[in-house]
Amino acid sequence: AQKVTQAQTEISVVEKEDVTLDCVYETRDTTYYLFWYKQPPSGELVFLIRRNSFDEQNEISGRYSWNFQKSTSSFNFTITASQVVDSAVYFCALLLGGSQGNLIFGKGTKLSVKP
Amino acid sequence: DSGVTQTPKHLITATGQRVTLRCSPRSGDLSVYWYQQSLDQGLQFLIQYYNGEERAKGNILERFSAQQFPDLHSELNLSSLELGDSALYFCASSVHGETSGGTGELFFGEGSRLTVL
Repeated sequence: AQKVTQAQTEISVVEKEDVTLDCVYETRDTTYYLFWYKQPPSGELVFLIRRNSFDEQNEISGRYSWNFQKSTSSFNFTITASQVVDSAVYFCALLLGGSQGNLIFGKGTKLSVKP
Repeated sequence: DSGVTQTPKHLITATGQRVTLRCSPRSGDLSVYWYQQSLDQGLQFLIQYYNGEERAKGNILERFSAQQFPDLHSELNLSSLELGDSALYFCASSVHGETSGGTGELFFGEGSRLTVL
């Protein structure tokens, strides 16, 4: 069965701290895609990143970085020097190759960044 | 702003009623997806349309139906509403029929929050 687990329900940090959000996925498919989405208090879902199962290169985008490790079925997300504007719920999601838009979401991690 | 427009933003109705949620995809996007976000079930895929045709179905109840019109906007119809249908309903769009194509990202609207009393 396909599944995404975000074990951290809520995380609270103080501004400028680094924080890592964990994501563990389960699938037997060899072709799949992993995503991170951000849901700020306003409610919309904002796309952050997509990785495919054949590309284990880590990625950095400004203060955001992602660590994809197939050996541990993890796709963790790190925010460096967190800011209050980073406060949101973050969702990790899995899409199977050939699937037609059926993103399988984790339950989300609520990040609160205090000033 | 993702470019995906959903109306209404908020809707309160009673059990047994029927409502229609509307979605206008980003200009040029052919695929529309509907997702439900509830406290119990989290974010769940309901259904996808591509250029007017149903392409994939997820955990959509029989009481729910959707369609995509020639101008590519989509409507999600929810009938015989129950308390458990209270949720945030998202519409998303993408250029391709599969999210694995192109950049692979879905552009989500701000959602329609449905409250069933």
